[in-house]
Amino acid sequence: SAVISQKPSRDICQRGTSLTIQCQVDSQVTMMFWYRQQPGQSLTLIATANQGSEATYESGFVIDKFPISRPNLTFSTLTVSNMSPEDSSIYLCSAPAAGEYGYTFGSGTRLTVV
Amino acid sequence: DAKTTQPTSMDCAEGRAANLPCNHSTISGNEYVYWYRQIHSQGPQYIIHGLKNNETNEMASLIITEDRKSSTLILPHATLRDTAVYYCIVRTNQGGKLIFGQGTELSVKP
Repeated sequence: SAVISQKPSRDICQRGTSLTIQCQVDSQVTMMFWYRQQPGQSLTLIATANQGSEATYESGFVIDKFPISRPNLTFSTLTVSNMSPEDSSIYLCSAPAAGEYGYTFGSGTRLTVV
Repeated sequence: DAKTTQPTSMDCAEGRAANLPCNHSTISGNEYVYWYRQIHSQGPQYIIHGLKNNETNEMASLIITEDRKSSTLILPHATLRDTAVYYCIVRTNQGGKLIFGQGTELSVKP
């Protein structure tokens, strides 16, 4: 199955700044997904990133706040813009594994906004 | 998207079987049931999935009722390292995205 390298693993950022999170997959995948996990909560899907087209955002998430890039079939970035303490969460990327055998997740980025 | 309902938490004695139930009464005929788990501070890990038939792999067994409205994940010999949050997910047929519910927090105790 696909292996995803995600970085940074954690960061502490000042409010009003932006952070870009990167995910590199070791094989070509058509779709990648970005999730947010707030403290003590389950995962919430932010958007689906397809190569060659704009990302599709879930209800409650907008491109201005969470711009996504997908320059090729193995790489994607998520930017958390104009951060506030409410953005403090774990952010995870995901991609389909081989065949129908589930989805692989990155190890997550733990973001703290102060 | 079909919704799933799981108990918030469960306990299991080490070495015993852990049976985690999931209700998905609105599942469509071509939607799969997936199980993932998330050990603290890690990304979710795929466990098993199924459509209609019962499935078994090296990690677990998945029992799906004949009407497909519920399923049970079975960890045959739970260990302390199986302590995690377990998510039952019905995979939508719209773009293949996974929508997570609240999951079951399983605590395996010595």
